[in-house]
Amino acid sequence: DTGVSQDPRHKITKRGQNVTFRCDPISEHNRLYWYRQTLGQGPEFLTYFQNEAQLEKSRLLSDRFSAERPKGSFSTLEIQRTEQGDSAMYLCASSALAGEQFFGPGTRLTVL
Amino acid sequence: DQQVKQNSPSLSVQEGRISILNCDYTNSMFDYFLWYKKYPAEGPTFLISISSIKDKNEDGRFTVFLNKSAKHLSLHIVPSQPGDSAVYFCAASNSGGGADGLTFGKGTHLIIQP
Repeated sequence: DTGVSQDPRHKITKRGQNVTFRCDPISEHNRLYWYRQTLGQGPEFLTYFQNEAQLEKSRLLSDRFSAERPKGSFSTLEIQRTEQGDSAMYLCASSALAGEQFFGPGTRLTVL
Repeated sequence: DQQVKQNSPSLSVQEGRISILNCDYTNSMFDYFLWYKKYPAEGPTFLISISSIKDKNEDGRFTVFLNKSAKHLSLHIVPSQPGDSAVYFCAASNSGGGADGLTFGKGTHLIIQP
């Protein structure tokens, strides 16, 4: 399968802990996106990369959130000092320079 | 302030009939629109898209119509099949081609009844 993959699929953590998620995009795609989805809402854009450069960050991305894409391949999203409000599905997507975005299965985060 | 609105949280349609899902937007800078389908515990799957220079795009059973003056688009599925039961999201972009972050609506849960 050559689609977008995300790891882990589920993460349960205690408030105040740090968590890190990984996304592996479709190999020939230059752009990689992170979204967050909460219950009853559509996905909300967080940030995106073109190759290794982070080009845009949403105001939803507080200073506790950091994303990286070293070497323009996989990406990581880290949340420091997690809060209960961070509980959500975190979705990764990738695309060619222009075109539809292909989503991974998501990582469901639960903060206790 | 929602820029993309899907005002019907759910829609029930009989198998074989036409399903029409609606979406309204407020940002006149949006120039590329997409529909995604989502099953539980999976990521959204791309269905069909349309550029603002067109008013219709068709792909098999799926057709998207865009009315720019009304800032409205709709997705038609005909004939509806049981496997079409899912949550459908409308999304928009103002980057030309959907290359930047997308703005999504809240989704419409489509239920196809046998």
